[in-house]
Amino acid sequence: QKEVEQNSGPLSVPEGAIASLNCTYSDRGSQSFFWYRQYSGKSPELIMFIYSNGDKEDGRFTAQLNKASQYVSLLIRDSQPSDSATYLCAVKQSTDKLIFGTGTRLQVFP
Amino acid sequence: DAGVTQSPTHLIKTRGQQVTLRCSPKSGHDTVSWYQQALGQGPQFIFQYYEEEERQRGNFPDRFSGHQFPNYSSELNVNALLLGDSALYLCASSLAGGLDTQYFGPGTRLTVL
Repeated sequence: QKEVEQNSGPLSVPEGAIASLNCTYSDRGSQSFFWYRQYSGKSPELIMFIYSNGDKEDGRFTAQLNKASQYVSLLIRDSQPSDSATYLCAVKQSTDKLIFGTGTRLQVFP
Repeated sequence: DAGVTQSPTHLIKTRGQQVTLRCSPKSGHDTVSWYQQALGQGPQFIFQYYEEEERQRGNFPDRFSGHQFPNYSSELNVNALLLGDSALYLCASSLAGGLDTQYFGPGTRLTVL
């Protein structure tokens, strides 16, 4: 079992729709969770972080955390073509190491 | 407020050579982490430096070594380069004791021929 798992995609959504990106992790002692966006050829850019169970909203983005199910998700409302990128889930494990998933490629079409 | 900077942007080396990559953390940050990102993969943790010492290390061979200077900047050294070392090398900085949110630099693209 991979430490952090994401569906590689691509996930294709029409402009204006909600994109839902999912991530599961194996280390039950993981402390904090991050979503990064990475455009092709660029470095990862932090979108959001979440530490507590439940939802956290920031503009068009909502992160959801369920520690019992070891599941993190990112919702993007009113998706725009400029949101087309790879979204990386990162988990800070109990060892303090930050482990990344392989990323989900999102395509938003007009 | 200066963000994370890395140099060089691109680098081409041949097998067996050695390479040094450099990173300056975001202003106010004291911790530097290095990652290797192969094409189509997520970043893989190499190691983390804090107070000029290696604090954590991922599953990378001893050919990968690093250093942190008193001004918190850092170097990544890779010896005896292999073709498989071709990747984007990312540096991320954070503040120890804080929320450990890591911010990435633009990366160094290393090509080994």
